[in-house]
This record gives sequence, structure tokens and C-alpha cells, in this order.
Amino acid sequence: GDSVTQTEGPVTVSESESLIINCTYSATSIAYPNLFWYVRYPGEGLQLLLKVITAGQKGSSRGFEATYNKETTSFHLQKASVQESDSAVYYCALGDQDYNQGKLIFGQGTKLSIKP
Amino acid sequence: DMKVTQMPRYLIKRMGENVLLECGQDMSHETMYWYRQDPGLGLQLIYISYDVDSNSEGDIPKGYRVSRKKREHFSLILDSAKTNQTSVYFCASSFSRDWGSGEQYFGPGTRLTVL
Repeated sequence: GDSVTQTEGPVTVSESESLIINCTYSATSIAYPNLFWYVRYPGEGLQLLLKVITAGQKGSSRGFEATYNKETTSFHLQKASVQESDSAVYYCALGDQDYNQGKLIFGQGTKLSIKP
Repeated sequence: DMKVTQMPRYLIKRMGENVLLECGQDMSHETMYWYRQDPGLGLQLIYISYDVDSNSEGDIPKGYRVSRKKREHFSLILDSAKTNQTSVYFCASSFSRDWGSGEQYFGPGTRLTVL
């Protein structure tokens, strides 16, 4: 079936250090997957951080980057230097470009804490 | 102001009681969603609504029903709540034209505990 697996949390990183949160997907019934990273800050709802709909392309937002790798079925989230304000829960998600009727498949979320 | 609201934010109920979770959005989105998230699992889709009175089961609809009588409101109802329905419930909304873009707007969640 279709699924998303990401780094088991919680993850703690020191401020100004680099970050990678792994995400791999299985899209057995989706011909053209779209990939997304959502973020949920404390007390708020999930919000779209970045998206990539074409394999081989990179998406970026707020200093975060993720590259859609079709060969390894991965979409890892990276940031070169984290800030305390990046503390949040990060969700990787998979969608269907052609026939999704609005549905997304989410990973379990990775809670990130930044040490000052 | 683009916003999805959920009420209540926290709720404690006893097994067998009825539960009503409410969701509102001010963006005139046609599509609205109810998800639940349990520890260690991703968000699971309970129901999706494509507009007023146009609702469709998601992946885990058993034990739930929904109501959408106005475009801006979407309710999740648990008739006779069970302990295994203890979870965090998220409501979301989107324009149907944005399905491919994956842009959904989420509420802050309701933490439901069923004792």
C-alpha cells in the first residue's frame, strides 16, 4: 500500500547545528506522487512548509530544503543551521498528482527540539 | 484572516457518552477533512467532505459520523464514545482546485479523552 515513514522522534539538536529528518515513501498505487513537508508549531495547526511535485526537484522554505528522490523513494528535510524557533513537529506527506480527491498520506511526525 | 477553528480544544468524556467536535473555517473552502492522530502513527483520515451534504468515508470511518450543513462548518460526531477513540482530532480545509498542490489548512486540534 501507500505509506510514509519518517525519523522516529523526539530529535534534539543544538542551535546553529545542522538538521536532517529522514522521510521515505511507498507509492504503489500512485503513478505520479507529490511530496510535502508540513510543520506544527506548539498550540497551532499543521501548516505547509514546502512541496515538490516533480521527481529530482528541490523545494525550499524558511531555510529548509528537501529533494524528491524517486530512485531511493526519499524526501529528507534538511537545514544547515537550526534556530530555537524551529522547535516543532514535522510531518512528511504523500499525495497523488492525478487522482487524489484531496487526500494526503502522512508520516507519524517527528518532534524537533532545539537546545539554546 | 485565513483560519480553521476547532471547539473544544480539550474534552473528557465517559465511555458511552455522545461527543460532538466542531470545526469552522472562514476561507469558503469547499473541501473539509477530519483526521485523528494517535501516538506513533500518522494522521489518519476519518471523513472528507466535498461540500454541503457531500461527505465521503476516509480510511477509518467506523464509529464516527459527520455533518456539514453549511460550507464553513464541519462536525464530527461520536455516538456512544469508546475508550479506543481517545486521540487528537484535527480538522482541515482546502480549495478543491488545490488538491494537487497539497495545501490544506489545519485547526489546532482537539484532544479527546474517553474514560
